[in-house]
Amino acid sequence: QQQVKQSPQSLIVQKGGISIINCAYENTAFDYFPWYQQFPGKGPALLIAIRPDVSEKKEGRFTISFNKSAKQFSLHIMDSQPGDSATYFCAASFENYGGSQGNLIFGKGTKLSVKP
Amino acid sequence: NAGVTQTPKFRILKIGQSMTLQCTQDMNHNYMYWYRQDPGMGLKLIYYSVGAGITDKGEVPNGYNVSRSTTEDFPLRLELAAPSQTSVYFCASSYRANTEAFFGQGTRLTVV
Repeated sequence: QQQVKQSPQSLIVQKGGISIINCAYENTAFDYFPWYQQFPGKGPALLIAIRPDVSEKKEGRFTISFNKSAKQFSLHIMDSQPGDSATYFCAASFENYGGSQGNLIFGKGTKLSVKP
Repeated sequence: NAGVTQTPKFRILKIGQSMTLQCTQDMNHNYMYWYRQDPGMGLKLIYYSVGAGITDKGEVPNGYNVSRSTTEDFPLRLELAAPSQTSVYFCASSYRANTEAFFGQGTRLTVV
């Protein structure tokens, strides 16, 4: 119930294309869904996040789509660029559940390569 | 602002040795976390703290210990290092639960 399942493991997209990464969760207590971007040799950095009271959030070329009934959320990268090549992690957390306050539970990551 | 600073960046340990991974943040965040990252496995929570003097176990705490004597510092102690502890370790902090977590650059640890 604590898992966040992420797919695909790796993704190759042509420059200008759309990259789509999907995540699914079981625990309905989750109420915060961030996406993190990680470049090689660096720590993860927050890209965009959503809460379950909205179905979509857009920041520039990055959009999160959230389907509460299906317990799924996805990251869409429009007009993908070579500079977007990185590993992307979805995550979920809850304010307070069994004493685990706000601890991020991560998916296993998607390695995105954008070809020029 | 330095954000979250981890030292060292790299370390090789022999089996049975001990070491402390240092983490400090200058954002006055109450929440601090230690994660380990293994290839293809995402990040797993080792320990976390919601304030000075308060720590608790995460998903994978065995073989590790932490302390939180100040708001700024959250060191991770490895006792009797084992090859299974070969990993990249990340420290993170956040203002409160369910807000942006800021990560350090990581410590790559190899146990041989």
